[in-house]
Amino acid sequence: DIQMTQSPSSLSASVGDRVTITCRASQSISNYLNWYQQKPGKAPKLLIYDASSLQSGVPSRFSGSRSGTDFTLTISSLQPEDFATYYCQQSYNSPLTFGGGTKVEIK
Amino acid sequence: EVQLAESGGGLVQPGGSLRLSCAVSGFTFSSYSMNWVRQAPGKGLEWVSYISSGSSRIYYADSVKGRFTISRDNAKNSLFLQMNSLRAEDTAVYYCTRDVRRLAFFDSWGQGTLVTVSS
Repeated sequence: DIQMTQSPSSLSASVGDRVTITCRASQSISNYLNWYQQKPGKAPKLLIYDASSLQSGVPSRFSGSRSGTDFTLTISSLQPEDFATYYCQQSYNSPLTFGGGTKVEIK
Repeated sequence: EVQLAESGGGLVQPGGSLRLSCAVSGFTFSSYSMNWVRQAPGKGLEWVSYISSGSSRIYYADSVKGRFTISRDNAKNSLFLQMNSLRAEDTAVYYCTRDVRRLAFFDSWGQGTLVTVSS
């Protein structure tokens, strides 16, 4: 199985900050990497697919990039509604696997 | 508007069975692959099972293989998960999700249904 390692597991940031979350795959997954946002008590929401494609309706402050087997989710200017937990997920092969999550908290 | 609504969760004893359902609306169900994804209390996300649009391809996570069965009824716009031989570690919120490609990413999620396995 492909292991997805997210870092950090949590971070504290202020409104307006630039936030970066990293996800590393245990092997090459090409661009088959997706990002989700989950708020407490709610279902996850798709943000980014195929490493860097923005899902329809998602604000442009969210972006994704890839360098080899390292993937990055960037929030250019953190907004109050962005405090949540973020998960990466590989779709290169079965079983589909998720990272452990990154909780973004208010500083 | 795309809508997915799970039902069928509840409290069940270890070794018991439960059948989850997911009713969908707002899109052509028969054109999309579907998945079940679960989340144990306070934990991360775990993919459980996949079924193609016509049910010809089905995949399971090793943790549920041989115990869970995914199925669908395209005429009734419904997805199912039959769960047998349930264990405490199956306790989780179960989400049905719409797949954009074969085993790809999930662009729509239901609200989830909680399954608790406990004596």
